[in-house]
Order: sequence, then C-alpha cells, then structure tokens
Amino acid sequence: EVQLVESGGGLVKPGGSLRLSCAASGFTFSNASMTWVRQAPGKGLEWVGRIKSKTDGGTTDYAAPVKGRFTISRDDSKNTLYLQMNSLKTEDTAVYYCTTGVHYWGQGTLVTVSS
Amino acid sequence: SYELTQPPSVSVSPGQTARITCSGDALPKKYAYWYQQKSGQAPVVVIYEDSKRPSGIPERFSGSSSGTMATLTISGAQVEDEADYYCCSTASSGNLVVFGGGTKLTVL
Repeated sequence: EVQLVESGGGLVKPGGSLRLSCAASGFTFSNASMTWVRQAPGKGLEWVGRIKSKTDGGTTDYAAPVKGRFTISRDDSKNTLYLQMNSLKTEDTAVYYCTTGVHYWGQGTLVTVSS
Repeated sequence: SYELTQPPSVSVSPGQTARITCSGDALPKKYAYWYQQKSGQAPVVVIYEDSKRPSGIPERFSGSSSGTMATLTISGAQVEDEADYYCCSTASSGNLVVFGGGTKLTVL
C-alpha cells in the first residue's frame, strides 16, 4: 500500500524558515518524480514544485511565487522528500501536500506564517 | 503565466448529468487531470490523461478533451459526488504544472 506522510508543519514568523518532510513507502521511491502542492485556507490547489528521479536527471521546477525561496530535495536512501522553505510570507500559509504527482497524495501538513 | 479556467460552481439534481469544463491554451497538446476534493480531505484523482479512470472510481465519471477545453462528466450524479473538482495540466513548456481554480459541485 502506498503511503505518503508529511511532517514538519507548524507556526513560523514572517521571514522565518521551515523544512517539511514526506516519508514514502509502498513503491519504489527512487524511481518516482515527486511533487509538492499547497492549499491556502478556503482556497484552491496550488502546485508548488517537483523533483524528478535521479534517473530522469533529478532536476527541480518551481512555481513562480516560491522560486528562489523554496527548495525541493530528496533522500532516496531514506525514501524521503523534503521542502525547505525560506523567507516565508503570510501568503505561504497553507496545507502542504506531498504527492507522486497524480495518483497518490499524503494527508498534508499545515504551515502557518504569522507574527 | 499559464492558466486553466473552470466555472466556480455547477449545480445538478441527483441523477442528472454534471459537466465541468476546463479551458487552457495548452490543452490541445497536454493531458488534463481531474481531482475530487471533499471537505477536509486530500484530493483524489478521478480522471487522468484526459479520459482514463483509475480503479475504484465509479464508471459515472468520465473525461474528454477537445481543442482548448477538457470536460469532466458525471453521468447520474449522486449526492456523495458533492465536492470541489480541480482540473490540472502542464504549461506548453512542460516544466510547470497548473491547477484550475476549482468548481464546487452541488447535487441536490
């Protein structure tokens, strides 16, 4: 059974940093492109970014609002995906989902950016 | 920046057919994906690659794409289909993924 479990969310002040993790199981993580999607309270889904598998180059792509502030990485030895978030803004407040991109999603972790 | 446009809301009576549209300039060349999200839950894919239905998704869900518009059709909508539906696709560059603004489906 595929499982994606996010962790690391919480309350952070504007300008601060936070690192989210996503522990994956039930599939060959190293072969998978992985994606982060977020959803602000009461709003729609927003694609954050993606990291390809190392065999596909391991490259990353980011949405414009987070480019230069967020970094996606992966540790295939730990089957874990990361989202490093720096220079956080109040508009980054959202539930952050880890997903394989189409079929499998975690339950999300809430990030609140507030003073 | 690339955008996908959906109607904010669609309302049907139980048993009627609900159609939710998604328009985007790159849809003639890029697949559309449809996600269902019920309140407080993670999204679930109901249609992928324009018209494929994952296992476990009822047959009443179908998808199509023609030109710059993709359509999610729920034939004989049920009360339990009430949810927000999002289309998703890729910009023509292939590097960026975009979600539509979402459509709230009401079945009553």
